[in-house]
Amino acid sequence: EVQLVESGGGLVQPGGSLRLSCAASGFTLSDHYMDWVRQAPGKGLEWVGRSRNKAKRYSTDYAASVKGRFTISRDDSKNSLYLQMNSLKTEDTAVYYCARVGVGVIDYWGQGTLVTVSS
Amino acid sequence: QSVLTQPPSASGTPGQRVTISCSGSSSNIGSNFVYWYQQLPGTAPKLLIYSNNQRPSGVPDRFSGSKSGTSASLAISGLRSEDEADYYCAVWDDSLSGRVFGGGTKLTVL
Repeated sequence: EVQLVESGGGLVQPGGSLRLSCAASGFTLSDHYMDWVRQAPGKGLEWVGRSRNKAKRYSTDYAASVKGRFTISRDDSKNSLYLQMNSLKTEDTAVYYCARVGVGVIDYWGQGTLVTVSS
Repeated sequence: QSVLTQPPSASGTPGQRVTISCSGSSSNIGSNFVYWYQQLPGTAPKLLIYSNNQRPSGVPDRFSGSKSGTSASLAISGLRSEDEADYYCAVWDDSLSGRVFGGGTKLTVL
């Protein structure tokens, strides 16, 4: 059974940093692209970025809103995906979801972890 | 403002058929597969339709998807109270080099 469990969310001040983790199980992480998607309170879904699979050398893409501030990495030996968030802004407040990408489609989602950026 | 345009709300009575539209452009819907997600209150999204009109196993055949040009639609027939949720379309955008989501449609079962 595919499972994705996010952790690391919490309250952080504007300008601060936070690192989210996503523990994956039930599939071979290195075979899959992985996305991060966020959802601000009461708002819709927003794609944050993605990490391609081992065959694509784990290359990454990011949304314009987070490029240069957020970094996606992974440790396949630990079955884990990470999202390093720096220079956080109040508008980054959201539930952050880790998601597995199947053949071009996000087919599994984690339960999400809440990040609140506030002074 | 979302790259993909969905109506903010839709409604229907039990047993009715409702459709939710998703309008995009040549760089997204016009050239890539469309996906639909259902998000029940307080939960993570769930894949409902992939590759424009395919249903994952376990998704009832009451749900169907279609695409024409730069627009797509999700149809739900035989509406049930448990279908009350937010629905999102999604697609890869070649110009933005990123995945884009519609703004979401809140479906109310009256």
